Order: sequence, then structure tokens, then C-alpha cells
Amino acid sequence: QVQLVQSGAEVKKPGSSVKVSCKASGGTFSNNVINWVRQAPGQGLEWMGGIIPLFDPPNYAQKFQGRLTITADKSTMTAYMELSSLRAEDTAVYYCARVPHFFYDKSGGLYYYYGMDVWGQGTTVTVSS
Amino acid sequence: DIVMTQSPDSLAVSLGERATINCKSSQTVLHSSNNENYLAWYQQKPGQSPKLLIYWASTRESGVPDRFSGSGSGTDFTLTISTLQAEDVAVYYCQQYYSTPLTFGGGTKVEIK
Repeated sequence: QVQLVQSGAEVKKPGSSVKVSCKASGGTFSNNVINWVRQAPGQGLEWMGGIIPLFDPPNYAQKFQGRLTITADKSTMTAYMELSSLRAEDTAVYYCARVPHFFYDKSGGLYYYYGMDVWGQGTTVTVSS
Repeated sequence: DIVMTQSPDSLAVSLGERATINCKSSQTVLHSSNNENYLAWYQQKPGQSPKLLIYWASTRESGVPDRFSGSGSGTDFTLTISTLQAEDVAVYYCQQYYSTPLTFGGGTKVEIK
């Protein structure tokens, strides 16, 4: 069974960047969609974007366009989420989560056929001066 | 973007009683190509990552107790916990995967009365 293990907590200054890793073990990696979801303190869940390591390119929520970079390294079965120009409102727990069933068409885009069935343990990112 | 609205925000139910959570989408998540509703439900216990309970609106994920059931179609959905157990105290979220950006409801907190 796939497990996703994320990197440790980060404290960042406003205006800086953070890069969080998500390493898969125990199963396949490249033919899943690896998503990033964040949760601000006491708030709900917010999807940021996703990547199919086998295909690229990533799919980003419009809200994060220009600030978010999602990448994946198939050789190490690790996905990365980098968020730049950090502000206090980016303080949150960041999760990676897998979707195992999807359809990808270069012209039509990415279609999800399942929920997020495996989640990382979460990485707390605190943005504070 | 598809907006997901859950109700109530919180509810308190006695042990062994039924809990019902509603979720409404701003547009249909029923796909005509396969007649499936692209709707999932998650459970998040305090300090834990979310856990997938239901997908395709009514299909239980492997290992999920059968006291959890999902129903509905189109824009209106329900998660029901038939007999509430102490370990079901959590926040529950619905999520659509009909289109990106994927969106979640605001969550419903379930507590013991």
C-alpha cells in the first residue's frame, strides 16, 4: 500500500519561498495524480494543484498561478510543492494526497475518477516576521 | 469554479443515533458520459489527515464501516452515519472532482450530545 511521507515543519519570513516534499513508498508513484491541499488554522481544505509524475505538466488552481510550482521526480518517487512570495495568510498545514484513477488527454486536460485515497501526514508552514 | 456548500456547520448527536450531513454543489457533478456523480466524502479527526470515506457519491472506500453511507445526485448529496459511535467524532467534508479546481465544502463538525 502506498504511503506518502512529507518533509518537516517550516518557519518562513514574509516574501520568501517554501518547498515541501512528499515521498511515496510501498507502491506505484508515476501513474497517480499527486495533489497538494492546504488547511489554514481552524479552517477547511483547499486544493492547490496536482501533477501526474508520468506526464506533466502540473495543474494549478487559478488562485495560486504564478506563485506555485509543483514538480515530481520519478527516480526518487518524490513530489514537491514550492510556494513563493509567502504572506501570513499562507500559514497552514500542507498535505499531499494521491488520486489513483484519472484520465489525461493532452488536448482535453485532466479528469479525476476517484477521491484522494492516500494522504501525507501534513507539513506545517508558518509565515511570520 | 464549483462551490460546495455544507450544512449544518456542526451537529451534536447521541451515541447510537443517526447523523445526517448535507452537501450542495453550485452546478451538477453528475457526468452524462457515465452517469456518475463526481462527489467524495472525507472524515478528518483532530490532528489527523483527512480520510476518504465515500467516492462516486455512494461507494464506500475499502475498510469503511457500513454505518457510513452516501446518497444524492446532481447537486444535492447526503452523508449519513446510521448509528453514531464515539470514534466518529470528526469534521466531515464533501469534495467534487467533476472539474478543476477541485473544491471542498466548508466542513461539518460532528460531536456527541
